[in-house]
Amino acid sequence: ETGVTQTPRHLVMGMTNKKSLKCEQHLGHNAMYWYKQSAKKPLELMFVYNFKEQTENNSVPSRFSPECPNSSHLFLHLHTLQPEDSALYLCASSPTSGFSGNTIYFGEGSWLTVV
Amino acid sequence: GENVEQHPSTLSVQEGDSAVIKCTYSDSASNYFPWYKQELGKRPQLIIDIRSNVGEKKDQRIAVTLNKTAKHFSLHITETQPEDSAVYFCAALSNQGGKLIFGQGTELSVKP
Repeated sequence: ETGVTQTPRHLVMGMTNKKSLKCEQHLGHNAMYWYKQSAKKPLELMFVYNFKEQTENNSVPSRFSPECPNSSHLFLHLHTLQPEDSALYLCASSPTSGFSGNTIYFGEGSWLTVV
Repeated sequence: GENVEQHPSTLSVQEGDSAVIKCTYSDSASNYFPWYKQELGKRPQLIIDIRSNVGEKKDQRIAVTLNKTAKHFSLHITETQPEDSAVYFCAALSNQGGKLIFGQGTELSVKP
């Protein structure tokens, strides 16, 4: 158990639905991340939050909307997704972002299927 | 932009043999290089990391080497065991934006 928990673990949603992924870390970290992991592709960084402020948006479509109310919680709001958005969405945290040697700890991920 | 290339994409070895996975990075400002192991259906977990001021680091059966001049680093697993079977990801952290860029992953299969 690395202290980063994600819910739900599995989600099936239609293209017109609105759903949210939740991430919580109990490690006292100040940086949180969303990564997307698709089959046969490298881990893709989506968003970075440092001390609740978004510091990175890696050209992610607006149908993905992150929210970071505090340093321990991170959400990914989903709306009007496409089937190609089906993937494993991994939340991660680290002490801070942007500095060397900060180990990133991943959650178990949320498997998303868009039908 | 920053890029990390990882090879091979799949690797099959016999139990007891060694396995080597290689990565190259493009950003010369990168200074931290972690390796993650992801077992099927589980999260990526850090197994070893190396900083740019060190050329080699070892932890039991795993070791990582770094060649800053050539901008490549490698993971070495000796005396492989079936439980080493997993997907391994290398990554490079760039001071420019602080992004951790991952390689494409190597699926290692250790056959008993």
